[in-house]
Amino acid sequence: DIQMTQSPSSLSASVGDRITITCRASQTMNTYLNWYQQKPGKAPKLLIYSASTLQSGVPSRFSGSGSGTDFTLTISNLQPEDFATYYCQQTYSTPRTFGQGTKLE
Amino acid sequence: EVQLLESGGGLAQPGGSLRLSCAASGFTYSSFSSFVMNWVRQAPGKGLEWVSSVSGNGGTTYHADSVKGRFTASRDNSKNMLYLQMNSLRAEDTAIYYCAKGDCGTPSCFNDWFDPWGQGTLVTVSS
Repeated sequence: DIQMTQSPSSLSASVGDRITITCRASQTMNTYLNWYQQKPGKAPKLLIYSASTLQSGVPSRFSGSGSGTDFTLTISNLQPEDFATYYCQQTYSTPRTFGQGTKLE
Repeated sequence: EVQLLESGGGLAQPGGSLRLSCAASGFTYSSFSSFVMNWVRQAPGKGLEWVSSVSGNGGTTYHADSVKGRFTASRDNSKNMLYLQMNSLRAEDTAIYYCAKGDCGTPSCFNDWFDPWGQGTLVTVSS
């Protein structure tokens, strides 16, 4: 199984900041990496797929990059509604493992 | 717009069974049977855990090791329904269970993603 490790586990930031979350895979997986946002009491929402493709309707302040084993999610100009938990997920192989999450507060 | 709605959660005793359902709607130009459907769970205060995936035609399923032999995912394409039969339930199965649509037709495809997700249904296993 591919293990996904996110860092940091939590992150403190302010409105207007630029932040970066990292996701590292235990083996190389091309760009088969997705990012999800989850707010308390809500279902996860797809933000970015294939490492860098923004899902329709997602603001352009979100961006993703990386390939192989190292990936990043960047949020520029943080907005109040961006404070949530973020998960990466690999779909290079089954099981479709998730990172442990990064809580942005 | 595709929408997913889970049901069937509730309180079950250890060793008991539950059957979750996920009703899919909003498939217009493409068919429900064209896409993998997935179950993902989230224990209270914890992260996301993939549980199972079912191919578009229902002929192929994958399950996480933690549920293998106890849970069975299936689908009825004539009804646009996804199911998760959960047997031999354990306290550690307590979680919100989400169904989510994949973008591939087979669970083993590369470059899949889960979108949309249902709102989830809570399963509590306790005596």
